[in-house]
Amino acid sequence: NAGVMQNPRHLVRRRGQEARLRCSPMKGHSHVYWYRQLPEEGLKFMVYLQKENIIDESGMPKERFSAEFPKEGPSILRIQQVVRGDSAAYFCASSPELAGLRTDTQYFGPGTRLTVL
Amino acid sequence: GQNIDQPTEMTATEGAIVQINCTYQTSGFNGLFWYQQHAGEAPTFLSYNVLDGLEEKGRFSSFLSRSKGYSYLLLKELQMKDSASYLCAVIPPDSNYQLIWGAGTKLIIKP
Repeated sequence: NAGVMQNPRHLVRRRGQEARLRCSPMKGHSHVYWYRQLPEEGLKFMVYLQKENIIDESGMPKERFSAEFPKEGPSILRIQQVVRGDSAAYFCASSPELAGLRTDTQYFGPGTRLTVL
Repeated sequence: GQNIDQPTEMTATEGAIVQINCTYQTSGFNGLFWYQQHAGEAPTFLSYNVLDGLEEKGRFSSFLSRSKGYSYLLLKELQMKDSASYLCAVIPPDSNYQLIWGAGTKLIIKP
């Protein structure tokens, strides 16, 4: 059973360009989470999605950032007009269907390391 | 506010035991995770505690005291491959997915 897949693993962009990060959840998982991690810092929640729905985007900057999880295909985190401060590791995690209040373990992908020149 | 504290870095010797502490101050509590993260890699799940006490899983054990807002991860018979960062994450009561993450403890194992 393949784990969470992310691509690209490394992405270099110049200021003002767009960055597109992709995440394919584990088979059977319908919940996707995006996190940002700066060097020497903890993970920061950005957005939580289910198929075709954004459930919680409270951790995502209001401008330039967007996320989607279409019915078919991977989840996409899109950063428009990137700036140097966007340089970070972006991790995607997935979990199976949540049952009531039970918290399911999130399984992480290998991350995309974005460098903005 | 919500806050999670872990030591920034620890050093231990191969074959020894090390305890990594995590204290949290959150507006409530719904469980705590420990993850391991090797440099440049994804966090991998180690343990989940929601009740007080010790959960043992092979060489790794995790302890929780909800009244003290305190958890620790205990690693026994340390191996060089255990060199990694160990992340503590708390589940707040108003969300069962939006974890609050500590900055992680970098564990260095020496021969």
